[in-house]
Amino acid sequence: GQQLNQSPQSMFIQEGEDVSMNCTSSSIFNTWLWYKQDPGEGPVLLIALYKAGELTSNGRLTAQFGITRKDSFLNISASIPSDVGIYFCAGSTLQGAQKLVFGQGTRLTINP
Amino acid sequence: EAEVAQSPRYKITEKSQAVAFWCDPISGHATLYWYRQILGQGPELLVQFQDESVVDDSQLPKDRFSAERLKGVDSTLKIQPAELGDSAMYLCASSFEMGPYEQYFGPGTRLTVT
Repeated sequence: GQQLNQSPQSMFIQEGEDVSMNCTSSSIFNTWLWYKQDPGEGPVLLIALYKAGELTSNGRLTAQFGITRKDSFLNISASIPSDVGIYFCAGSTLQGAQKLVFGQGTRLTINP
Repeated sequence: EAEVAQSPRYKITEKSQAVAFWCDPISGHATLYWYRQILGQGPELLVQFQDESVVDDSQLPKDRFSAERLKGVDSTLKIQPAELGDSAMYLCASSFEMGPYEQYFGPGTRLTVT
């Protein structure tokens, strides 16, 4: 089955630092979505990407759809305490049920 | 802002008991999804509805799990009997249409089976 490898699994940074995380797949995806999940809550959609090479921003967040269509990247600039949480990538292909496959998440911790 | 509603938020049940979760998707969203999320992992799809029809239930343990969306709006996921391994977060999501579209999640139901 399709698998997504998300890295790093966890990050410990200082407030104000920039953050980068990525997601890779063995399959070609036509959609990449990035979510943030706080403890005890459902995932919240941050950015959606639909085209290879696409670069999309949402405030301090920027995500890119890799040219190979097998990877995606999320960057957070000038981190603040409310950025703490778990970030998930999710992708889908045009084949079959087109269901979303999720990565294992990147846990972000910020030291004030 | 439109949101996906879920209830209850928390449920504690004893093994072998029945439990049910309810979801009301964003108004106008034809596609509804139920996911299970084990602590420390990403969500995994259990069942997907397009209007009132099931389009994918390949990962739903059908011997104990059932899901319905009778009028194509809200949905219920049931587990009977519950087992210890069912302890997890159960998430509902919806999207405007089936396919590579943005999915919006509800707050989830945290199930603990004792």
